[in-house]
Amino acid sequence: DTEVTQTPKHLVMGMTNKKSLKCEQHMGHRAMYWYKQKAKKPPELMFVYSYEKLSINESVPSRFSPECPNSSLLNLHLHALQPEDSALYLCASSQNKNTEAFFGQGTRLTVV
Amino acid sequence: GQSLEQPSEVTAVEGAIVQINCTYQTSGFYGLSWYQQHDGGAPTFLSYNALDGLEETGRFSSFLSRSDSYGYLLLQELQMKDSASYFCASGGATNKLIFGTGTLLAVQP
Repeated sequence: DTEVTQTPKHLVMGMTNKKSLKCEQHMGHRAMYWYKQKAKKPPELMFVYSYEKLSINESVPSRFSPECPNSSLLNLHLHALQPEDSALYLCASSQNKNTEAFFGQGTRLTVV
Repeated sequence: GQSLEQPSEVTAVEGAIVQINCTYQTSGFYGLSWYQQHDGGAPTFLSYNALDGLEETGRFSSFLSRSDSYGYLLLQELQMKDSASYFCASGGATNKLIFGTGTLLAVQP
């Protein structure tokens, strides 16, 4: 199984809502990533988990809260988002540094 | 810090060969990878160069020159389905996989 599964595929939320994005992989990868991608822009790294520990936080606002419950799951908790946070949120995993990263299909988030 | 620069757009015709360049400035360079992303889709891995030289995978080849901080992706026998965005990407000593600015390839009949 070489898939990274993200749910939901689409999400519309108000600025006062709390929601969570979920990501799952069963490839035994030890690194998992969250990226944010705006239209016609490259994926922008948000967080990296390595061996279930947060190793990189790219100065992401605290309204985004990552969580890695186990080696297969990665969550991104969202609270009090702004309309400018509307974007495609991509999860990825990889076995080693800089080898092939597998991406999920993403969650298209709209904040209203 | 890390930065990877690419041309914003490239246009080519079916059956042609196209080269997409990537120049980078990174600390603790660990190699260069390439990803393809169709509109509305997820990035998919194409190639990875850890060492200088050419890596060939079917119609796609990738080249790296560490001394020049430069790499490129070569696409041969272009097909309409190759129309997509292409990103170079690089990590470092950590798992900090950073993407280049991206190149939108348009293949014309």
